[in-house]
Amino acid sequence: DAGITQSPRHKVTETGTPVTLRCHQTENHRYMYWYRQDPGHGLRLIHYSYGVKDTDKGEVSDGYSVSRSKTEDFLLTLESATSSQTSVYFCAISGGDGETQYFGPGTRLLVL
Amino acid sequence: QKEVEQNSGPLSVPEGAIASLNCTYSDRGSQSFFWYRQYSGKSPELIMFIYSNGDKEDGRFTAQLNKASQYVSLLIRDSQPSDSATYLCAVNGEYGNKLVFGAGTILRVKS
Repeated sequence: DAGITQSPRHKVTETGTPVTLRCHQTENHRYMYWYRQDPGHGLRLIHYSYGVKDTDKGEVSDGYSVSRSKTEDFLLTLESATSSQTSVYFCAISGGDGETQYFGPGTRLLVL
Repeated sequence: QKEVEQNSGPLSVPEGAIASLNCTYSDRGSQSFFWYRQYSGKSPELIMFIYSNGDKEDGRFTAQLNKASQYVSLLIRDSQPSDSATYLCAVNGEYGNKLVFGAGTILRVKS
């Protein structure tokens, strides 16, 4: 398995609370991604990073921010969690353009 | 907006049969095509990738790509109950490294 960990693996929080999810990789891959997965929608890209401090928005970026201060860590922050952000969040990594993405184990987030 | 379409299923096949999973995509500039398998409650894992028109075989799995018709398919020969999962098709564009995923096809292999 690709060396990707996500923390926490499960989280329950309340509406309006800020939440930060962490993705850590040991593969020294350039690209890192955050996706959310919801029934009927498949995987949707939230944000991605193509290097330290280099990030860009994905399809569903509203209400989310990201930071990447080190190659190995990519943080996803829900600035003020809403119930619509209840989902399973996956981090993925890739070595380069067009190359395979490998996924972390996921974080289940419940916003009450 | 790039789109990737899959039949949601479930697709039910008997053990030992060939399972055929299909995917169509809207962006003619797409260059890379991936099939992921996802068991319930788990993360997606790569099964196959294909870049060129034609067939690519790996064990019991064959990926087929037809860029002119904008479809990619996955054949699973000698299907086993352990193949029961959701299969995700993913496509990336001509530039950049973003993937667009289909919603997935649920496959059920009955023993």
